[in-house]
Amino acid sequence: GAVVSQHPSWVICKSGTSVKIECRSLDFQATTMFWYRQFPKQSLMLMATSNEGSKATYEQGVEKDKFLINHASLTLSTLTVTSAHPEDSSFYICSAVTSGGANIQYFGAGTRLSVL
Amino acid sequence: EDKVVQSPLSLVVHEGDTVTLNCSYEVTNFRSLLWYKQEKKAPTFLFMLTSSGIEKKSGRLSSILDKKELFSILNITATQTGDSAIYLCAVERDMRFGAGTRLTVKP
Repeated sequence: GAVVSQHPSWVICKSGTSVKIECRSLDFQATTMFWYRQFPKQSLMLMATSNEGSKATYEQGVEKDKFLINHASLTLSTLTVTSAHPEDSSFYICSAVTSGGANIQYFGAGTRLSVL
Repeated sequence: EDKVVQSPLSLVVHEGDTVTLNCSYEVTNFRSLLWYKQEKKAPTFLFMLTSSGIEKKSGRLSSILDKKELFSILNITATQTGDSAIYLCAVERDMRFGAGTRLTVKP
């Protein structure tokens, strides 16, 4: 199946710093990528839909200026958590949708962010 | 407002039991319903359902969609401890996930 690489898998940072998470589709082109946040023992919460070459569509309640999303190419989307605070600590997962057929999402392995 | 509701939220069974997980939805512009299994990290794809009444099967897992009643079920027969996971359903177009069902299979 299609492979999605997410990096880093774990990051620890100080409060006030910014963290960038990368999501790459390795063997297919993804016009659409999704970013999710997951709290312990809870389901995935959609944060935003990222379309190549255009601005991301954010879900209600998600701060655009805090969670910057860039989808510069058909194989790469990035999520930058700006001025991170402890409440931003969470598990972030990206997914990419294959184009030209069944729109199945393939997930990255996730990034665990811990803000001290 | 679109919503995806899974039940039960948690289920504990013994090896060999058969389980049925439910996913009901109310969404605009429905395109498909997908089932995923999440163990420790990223969800892995199980099934994609677009048409009513057509069962999809993979080993001990099977799933079916009812577009009239707006729900899907995921069946797991002869459960094994390796089936312990969170099972998520998501509905396209907007890829909204349900809360998931945490399945625990005891030996």
